Amino acid sequence: AQSVTQPDIHITVSEGASLELRCNYSYGATPYLFWYVQSPGQGLQLLLKYFSGDTLVQGIKGFEAEFKRSQSSFNLRKPSVHWSDAAEYFCAVGGRNTGFQKLVFGTGTRLLVSP
Amino acid sequence: DAMVIQNPRYQVTQFGKPVTLSCSQTLNHNVMYWYQQKSSQAPKLLFHYYDKDFNNEADTPDNFQSRRPNTSFCFLDIRSPGLGDAAMYLCATSKGTSGSKSQETQYFGPGTRLLVL
Repeated sequence: AQSVTQPDIHITVSEGASLELRCNYSYGATPYLFWYVQSPGQGLQLLLKYFSGDTLVQGIKGFEAEFKRSQSSFNLRKPSVHWSDAAEYFCAVGGRNTGFQKLVFGTGTRLLVSP
Repeated sequence: DAMVIQNPRYQVTQFGKPVTLSCSQTLNHNVMYWYQQKSSQAPKLLFHYYDKDFNNEADTPDNFQSRRPNTSFCFLDIRSPGLGDAAMYLCATSKGTSGSKSQETQYFGPGTRLLVL
């Protein structure tokens, strides 16, 4: 069964500084990987996804993520954080050939942005 | 232009009193999902509908049921809520029409926060 670990519960970054959120997955084959963001009182919004091909994936709002098979990681990065990026971020792994998209989420990382 | 709508946003119920949460979508998607998200935990899939076909996750308690009367609406029924059922309940949809359904994007609603007294 697939699983996801997000080792950082909270991260605080200064506005304008770079950001990296960690995600490690466990899956028996090449996974489908996703990053979602959840603002307070809102549902989850997809930032980016990886299925195959280029291991560096670009997403919305200036985010990118890199799939590293050797490290079983899919870390999320942003070169310059804005105050509006403060939210909770979830990494998720999906299985292949399940007939529908079954996502297993990590427990999330809450991003705080300081002035 | 809300695409996945959940009502109400906050629901208070009493221990053991049945409660129904509502989800509607304007995307005409075939697949609708219900997730449970407890405080500081990851969203956990309870079940999903592919069109009218209901698919229950193996570890979803029998206390949780769902109905999908048409493409647009899906309901989550909790027959006898316990204190442990207090959580955020998220509804999501995906197209369900592409060849690789597991590659589709899920669109989430804002959630309903359930409080059990």
